[in-house]
Amino acid sequence: NAGVTQTPKFRVLKTGQSMTLLCAQDMNHEYMYWYRQDPGMGLRLIHYSVGEGTTAKGEVPDGYNVSRLKKQNFLLGLESAAPSQTSVYFCASMDGGVNTEAFFGQGTRLTVV
Amino acid sequence: GEDVEQSLFLSVREGDSSVINCTYTDSSSTYLYWYKQEPGAGLQLLTYIFSNMDMKQDQRLTVLLNKKDKHLSLRIADTQTGDSAIYFCAESYSGNTGKLIFGQGTTLQVKP
Repeated sequence: NAGVTQTPKFRVLKTGQSMTLLCAQDMNHEYMYWYRQDPGMGLRLIHYSVGEGTTAKGEVPDGYNVSRLKKQNFLLGLESAAPSQTSVYFCASMDGGVNTEAFFGQGTRLTVV
Repeated sequence: GEDVEQSLFLSVREGDSSVINCTYTDSSSTYLYWYKQEPGAGLQLLTYIFSNMDMKQDQRLTVLLNKKDKHLSLRIADTQTGDSAIYFCAESYSGNTGKLIFGQGTTLQVKP
């Protein structure tokens, strides 16, 4: 059972470079999310999607873009990386809204130098 | 806005009970959750409680909810070294989008 798979697992970027993080889920879930985790701050929601072709901003969307062209994939893009985007990024998916379990990927550790 | 607060660190001896506390602000939250994160891993749902419940027990885990004080706690009985992890409290945003608001996480250290 793959569940939620994130690629890559680690990445080092130079300031100003761009990259895309891929999240793939094989559970046919409608809802998908991108969070970032920083020390002492828990997880904060960047963007989310409630279905194929839809996206919405979360708590900290600036500097990121997302796309959900296929139901199973949710891409997070950094157009011009900044050191403030050094973080661990987690993707999650849910079958529905309230009262369903969120399944998390293993995380992507991104360092921007 | 909505906010969830947790203490950052808890240390207990193996075999003791652990109690991790959380306070939240959104009284309209329908569900409150406890997630566990082991080193280098993603988050895993431990348990959740519906907002009209006071208590939920699941094997070694007991969740207590005080809606009046907006206080949630997780008690782990007979704590084991394998319970060492970061524990996150989370509440659901109002509305049916599944978005979660997480606390800062409590690092539980279990000493042998």
